Amino acid sequence: GQNIDQPTEMTATEGAIVQINCTYQTSGFNGLFWYQQHAGEAPTFLSYNVLDGLEEKGRFSSFLSRSKGYSYLLLKELQMKDSASYLCAVRDGDYKLSFGAGTTVTVRA
Amino acid sequence: ETGVTQTPRHLVMGMTNKKSLKCEQHLGHNAMYWYKQSAKKPLELMFVYNFKEQTENNSVPSRFSPECPNSSHLFLHLHTLQPEDSALYLCASSQDLGTGEETQYFGPGTRLLVL
Repeated sequence: GQNIDQPTEMTATEGAIVQINCTYQTSGFNGLFWYQQHAGEAPTFLSYNVLDGLEEKGRFSSFLSRSKGYSYLLLKELQMKDSASYLCAVRDGDYKLSFGAGTTVTVRA
Repeated sequence: ETGVTQTPRHLVMGMTNKKSLKCEQHLGHNAMYWYKQSAKKPLELMFVYNFKEQTENNSVPSRFSPECPNSSHLFLHLHTLQPEDSALYLCASSQDLGTGEETQYFGPGTRLLVL
């Protein structure tokens, strides 16, 4: 089976940086995705990594190490609107995504 | 707005009812998905359709019956559900399967409560 692990909850202060780790053990690997999901809303696509290294998109960056089965999502200059659940998902074949349970990030003033 | 809409947004039904969930995507995608999201659990893939053909049934009980009349619409027909089926049901779509363009875009979900 697939195993995607990420912390359940994290709390940080507005303006700070938070790093959400994701480790995975899957039968195959064809890319890793991060999604953001606000309560009661659709998960929205944040980033995609298929090669090792860092992908930067504004305040959000995502890193991948395939040899370690490890990724992180880095949120910089935190804003209150960043309070949400962050989902790590691994594509192990052509299209199937295996999701972690999500990390709920709470940003405090 | 992600380009994927779902109706209804909330649904309460008894175990003997029959209801349907609807999903529509306005992105010109060819693949559509149903997921179940229970509290504190990972999203579970239920069904996948590609060009209206079902390509995945992830051991889902027969009380859930999908229908894909065209590439833009996806339904999930529900009958004789159990209380443990209460969850958020998410629809998603992607451009294709197996071509590298499989980033999935999700709808807002239907929050289902089975009494």
